[in-house]
Amino acid sequence: GDSVTQTEGLVTVTEGLPVKLNCTYQTTYLTIAFFWYVQYLNEAPQVLLKSSTDNKRTEHQGFHATLHKSSSSFHLQKSSAQLSDSALYYCALRNNAGAKLTFGGGTRLTVRP
Amino acid sequence: NAGVIQTPRHKVTGKGQEATLWCEPISGHSAVFWYRQTIVQGLEFLTYFRNQAPIDDSGMPKERFSAQMPNQSHSTLKIQSTQPQDSAVYLCASSLDGQGGAEQFFGPGTRLTVL
Repeated sequence: GDSVTQTEGLVTVTEGLPVKLNCTYQTTYLTIAFFWYVQYLNEAPQVLLKSSTDNKRTEHQGFHATLHKSSSSFHLQKSSAQLSDSALYYCALRNNAGAKLTFGGGTRLTVRP
Repeated sequence: NAGVIQTPRHKVTGKGQEATLWCEPISGHSAVFWYRQTIVQGLEFLTYFRNQAPIDDSGMPKERFSAQMPNQSHSTLKIQSTQPQDSAVYLCASSLDGQGGAEQFFGPGTRLTVL
């Protein structure tokens, strides 16, 4: 089956500095959709970014990610972290055989002043 | 649009008791999903309905767990004889049709604590 790996469980960054959250995947399917979900404290997960196009940069709310099928990656980046970015971030994959999402283990981002 | 509604928000049961969790999807959405969230396992898929029909229950534990969608406006997840390891946040999500790039919208979840 599919698998998604987020190598960092916890990331701490100083406000104003860049941040990168890693996401790699394994799948046997050719047609896939990728999502980054963000979950703020005591709230529901919500979509931050989504992509299904290889090598195309996707941006939203200052974050960006590019799906690279050659390296099986969909890393999330931001050039200048804000205190309000502190949250739990999940990378997720959906293949064309079904509708369920396969999530990575999640990365808790803490932005400190 | 009220979003996905889940009730109760918190539920505490004793070991061996039954727990029923409710989900009301966004009006007009034909696909409903259930996920479980724990600190150790993260977010795990449980089951999914489209147009009220069960499509994929590959993530459901084989015993004690069951899910139904009796009408287009609600789905239930039932856990019989609850065990401490069932303690988790159970999240319901809905999407327009469950196809292609359709985004899944999550509810706030039900936090189940089994004592």
